[in-house]
Amino acid sequence: EDQVTQSPEALRLQEGESSSLNCSYTVSGLRGLFWYRQDPGKGPEFLFTLYSAGEEKEKERLKATLTKKESFLHITAPKPEDSATYLCAVQGASSGSARQLTFGSGTQLTVLP
Amino acid sequence: KAGVTQTPRYLIKTRGQQVTLSCSPISGHRSVSWYQQTPGQGLQFLFEYFSETQRNKGNFPGRFSGRQFSNSRSEMNVSTLELGDSALYLCASSLLGASTDTQYFGPGTRLTVL
Repeated sequence: EDQVTQSPEALRLQEGESSSLNCSYTVSGLRGLFWYRQDPGKGPEFLFTLYSAGEEKEKERLKATLTKKESFLHITAPKPEDSATYLCAVQGASSGSARQLTFGSGTQLTVLP
Repeated sequence: KAGVTQTPRYLIKTRGQQVTLSCSPISGHRSVSWYQQTPGQGLQFLFEYFSETQRNKGNFPGRFSGRQFSNSRSEMNVSTLELGDSALYLCASSLLGASTDTQYFGPGTRLTVL
């Protein structure tokens, strides 16, 4: 069974204070690791997909990295508008050809001005 | 390009009733997945449809069902509603339904069961 654990559960940062969110996963045959951002009352918004260990992707102040056991979402010089819940999800080989993501419980990020 | 749309956005039902939620995927996307999101359990997979066929189903009772139409639009139905069914129901679509495809989510339907 695929499992995803995110830490910390909540993180409060001052504007400009860089930090990292962690996503540890256990999956049989990783097909993809996905990062989403979710604002209150809205659906998750896609950020990144990582497919293999060593891969990195960047978008504005965010950078996602992947190893064989975990992924990090690095936030550089965050702004208050980066406040949201960040979700990590994996697609494993156990679901065959079906699209079935296993999600972590998320990290609630608050960036204070 | 329009994103995933879900209707209705909000629903209030009473125990024992049934409900139908609708999802229109991004144009050209053929795979539609449904998820339930609650504060206690987080996001949990319900089922996925591709070319009108259910390919996988999560660990939910048979009261939860769905279908997909030839235009890729999908509906999910919950019968005999229970208080614990109160949740945000999210629909996600992907282009070809490959396991490496990115899933794009809709805004969700907030279901409250009284």
